[in-house]
Amino acid sequence: ETGVTQTPRHLVMGMTNKKSLKCEQHLGHNAMYWYKQSAKKPLELMFVYSLEERVENNSVPSRFSPECPNSSHLFLHLHTLQPEDSALYLCASSQGTGGVNEQFFGPGTRLTVL
Amino acid sequence: GQQLNQSPQSMFIQEGEDVSMNCTSSSIFNTWLWYKQDPGEGPVLLIALYKAGELTSNGRLTAQFGITRKDSFLNISASIPSDVGIYFCAGRFLMTTDSWGKLQFGAGTQVVVTP
Repeated sequence: ETGVTQTPRHLVMGMTNKKSLKCEQHLGHNAMYWYKQSAKKPLELMFVYSLEERVENNSVPSRFSPECPNSSHLFLHLHTLQPEDSALYLCASSQGTGGVNEQFFGPGTRLTVL
Repeated sequence: GQQLNQSPQSMFIQEGEDVSMNCTSSSIFNTWLWYKQDPGEGPVLLIALYKAGELTSNGRLTAQFGITRKDSFLNISASIPSDVGIYFCAGRFLMTTDSWGKLQFGAGTQVVVTP
């Protein structure tokens, strides 16, 4: 595997379900990000981890819970979601969080909440 | 907070035509990035700009960092069908090279190329 991978690619869940999204980066980067992408809206930053420590929590509801066990893996745990949470969830990584640090994105998980 | 306006929202062009899109910010940036997103995929970085006035090319793509540091444009020359997709600009301002800087994204420009 190369780059940034995400699983699953598609997920349908009910409002009472608990599920997790997984992201893995194979680029040797130190920072990882979760974004939410809704139709015709700019990407919304949700969480940022740098060296496995959370450096940004962008006012995200507690029904989204991130976990970064090491610099290569990032999870987003989901529980009691709402239909308006349906979106494409993108993971990204970068060498660091400052300076010249382009973010590289995974293919995303298309989430539908029924 | 910072606002990033990207235009146009969508473009329908014929194969072979040139395409131009731009982004403007309410405040200055010291980094501009341009991404392309194909259907069902994540954004892919096309061009990165780090200095005001910088002009950078990547094949048929050319992007410029505006002199005012509040805008950037992306041009695609001689468009081909595989240029279809959504193009996003993103900008960031960092106080120092080791500070944390959040990327601000534009809403995207949908490009449709017809034969």
